[in-house]
Amino acid sequence: GENVEQHPSTLSVQEGDSAVIKCTYSDSASNYFPWYKQELGKGPQLIIDIRSNVGEKKDQRIAVTLNKTAKHFSLHITETQPEDSAVYFCAALPGNRDDKIIFGKGTRLHILP
Amino acid sequence: DSGVTQTPKHLITATGQRVTLRCSPRSGDLSVYWYQQSLDQGLQFLIQYYNGEERAKGNILERFSAQQFPDLHSELNLSSLELGDSALYFCASSPGWGLEETQYFGPGTRLLVL
Repeated sequence: GENVEQHPSTLSVQEGDSAVIKCTYSDSASNYFPWYKQELGKGPQLIIDIRSNVGEKKDQRIAVTLNKTAKHFSLHITETQPEDSAVYFCAALPGNRDDKIIFGKGTRLHILP
Repeated sequence: DSGVTQTPKHLITATGQRVTLRCSPRSGDLSVYWYQQSLDQGLQFLIQYYNGEERAKGNILERFSAQQFPDLHSELNLSSLELGDSALYFCASSPGWGLEETQYFGPGTRLLVL
């Protein structure tokens, strides 16, 4: 089955700098890759997603890139702000619709003042 | 506020007991998903219901069961509870049935099994 590895587990960046979180997946048939942000005491919230027929997607300060050959995808946050501090999860949905969405272990992002 | 409500917020119980977690989806959403979040296992997809029927199954134990009622609210039943079942349980909802649809998560139920 699908396996998703996420790195780093913790990331601290200076406010205003960029943050990059990387994920690799094992099932080449996976075709949907969402990213979630989870703030303390809340449920995860979808912030951006990408499908396997697209290499990059941007939404204001957030972007996701996908390299199907290498089976990895990354979340890029530019001009980081204090409210970006949270835990971020990547996930992959295998191509087999009977399968289940698999999440990475999460990255705790700290934005330093 | 995602529009998804979950009750109770906290639950403390003993090993061997049975509990029921409740979820009300966003207005108009037909799909309900259940997830378990623990420190060692991370976030795991348990099960999805769409318009009252089971749609997809993840890492749900046989001791756990769920259902979605005609008014679209859902319940997750956890029985013969073990210490390792202590976790945050999230419910999410979406308008349609595809797992790639945007899912809106509730605030979660924190379960502690003593």
